Amino acid sequence: SAVISQKPSRDICQRGTSLTIQCQVDSQVTMMFWYRQQPGQSLTLIATANQGSEATYESGFVIDKFPISRPNLTFSTLTVSNMSPEDSSIYLCSALAGTGLPGELFFGEGSRLTVL
Amino acid sequence: LAKTTQPISMDSYEGQEVNITCSHNNIATNDYITWYQQFPSQGPRFIIQGYKTKVTNEVASLFIPADRKSSTLSLPRVSLSDTAVYYCLVGRSNTGKLIFGQGTTLQVKP
Repeated sequence: SAVISQKPSRDICQRGTSLTIQCQVDSQVTMMFWYRQQPGQSLTLIATANQGSEATYESGFVIDKFPISRPNLTFSTLTVSNMSPEDSSIYLCSALAGTGLPGELFFGEGSRLTVL
Repeated sequence: LAKTTQPISMDSYEGQEVNITCSHNNIATNDYITWYQQFPSQGPRFIIQGYKTKVTNEVASLFIPADRKSSTLSLPRVSLSDTAVYYCLVGRSNTGKLIFGQGTTLQVKP
């Protein structure tokens, strides 16, 4: 299993600013992903965080808006750049341990962002 | 990855068995089926995963017919604490990524 910690758990931000969310896993994992979940909605995959290389983004998400880093096997960051109220959402980090089933993702508790 | 379709909501009563069926008509040969549970203000939690036939763990059972175009999550004797959103997903081993559908909101009543 893997325990995922995200910081901050919540924040209120001003329009036009940027915020970086940190994701720390308590063990080395093979893959890490970032999702977004708007209130009352399902999760949307933003990107796969690749260790030591550029993230792989899903359709509709771009690096300039959501730069992602993954410097090692246990840590990743997601930055939400030049925020607007439409970016208000919960951002979730997830990881695939590699020792369990291929579909067994572990999720953090999420970072709830409110943009004013 | 195959798109999944499941009921938007279901109601049940404590002690009953709940079956949530998901359709995934375009599932590929090497794809697996996995189910997650999500409580409010929490990240999703893995419940069960299968490729074919039946899989059972301490929490649930997963039934997958031979054509694999659908699957059924079975929750035995639900309690109020099983009230949550349940997601059916189809995944591929070599990518690891999972695409979430709309999910089924299960409301368990006393």
